[in-house]
Amino acid sequence: DIVMTQSPLSLPVTPGEPASISCRSSQSLLSSNGNNYLDWYVQKPGQSPQLLISLGSTRASGVPDRFSGSGSGTDFTLKITRVEAEDVGVYYCMQALQTPLTFGGGTKVEIK
Amino acid sequence: QVQLVESGGGVVQPGGSLRLSCATSGFTFSTYGMQWVRQAPGKGLEWVALIRHDVTTKYYADSVKGRFTVSRDNSKNTLYLQMNSLRTEDTAVYYCAKDGPYWGDFSWGQGTMVTVSS
Repeated sequence: DIVMTQSPLSLPVTPGEPASISCRSSQSLLSSNGNNYLDWYVQKPGQSPQLLISLGSTRASGVPDRFSGSGSGTDFTLKITRVEAEDVGVYYCMQALQTPLTFGGGTKVEIK
Repeated sequence: QVQLVESGGGVVQPGGSLRLSCATSGFTFSTYGMQWVRQAPGKGLEWVALIRHDVTTKYYADSVKGRFTVSRDNSKNTLYLQMNSLRTEDTAVYYCAKDGPYWGDFSWGQGTMVTVSS
């Protein structure tokens, strides 16, 4: 199984400041077709998860451009250029290269 | 837009069975893979099972293999999860999710709670 490791576990941020979350996989998520099969999801308090970023760097429809995904192979990063209060929640990375699909443990973003 | 509505959750004793349903709308159900993902109280997300659009191709997490069965009725635009021999560790919110063009890019339902307790 591919193990997904996220850091940090908790991320207190000041509104207007940037934030960054790291996700590492135990195997490369880069397929022969050039896609990195890595998604980012956010679960806001009391809600279902929602897609932020697919294939490592493609923002989902309606996601603000302050969110960006980068990385390739085994190292990925989710960045928020300027955190807003509505961004609080738990952020998960997920590998979709092979079954079993696996999630990182989550990063809780909270406002200082 | 895509809508996924889970139902069928509840309280069941260890060893019991439950069948979850996920009614869908807003997309051509028969052309997309579908997934079940669960979340134990206060914990992270755990993938449970997937079924491809062709109905016959299915994959399961080791933790549920042999006890859970995923199925779909493309004529009813509905996904199912039959859960047998339930254990206390199966207690979780169960989400159905629609695949994108690959095994990911999920759209999620609101979830249904399953509690396994005596």
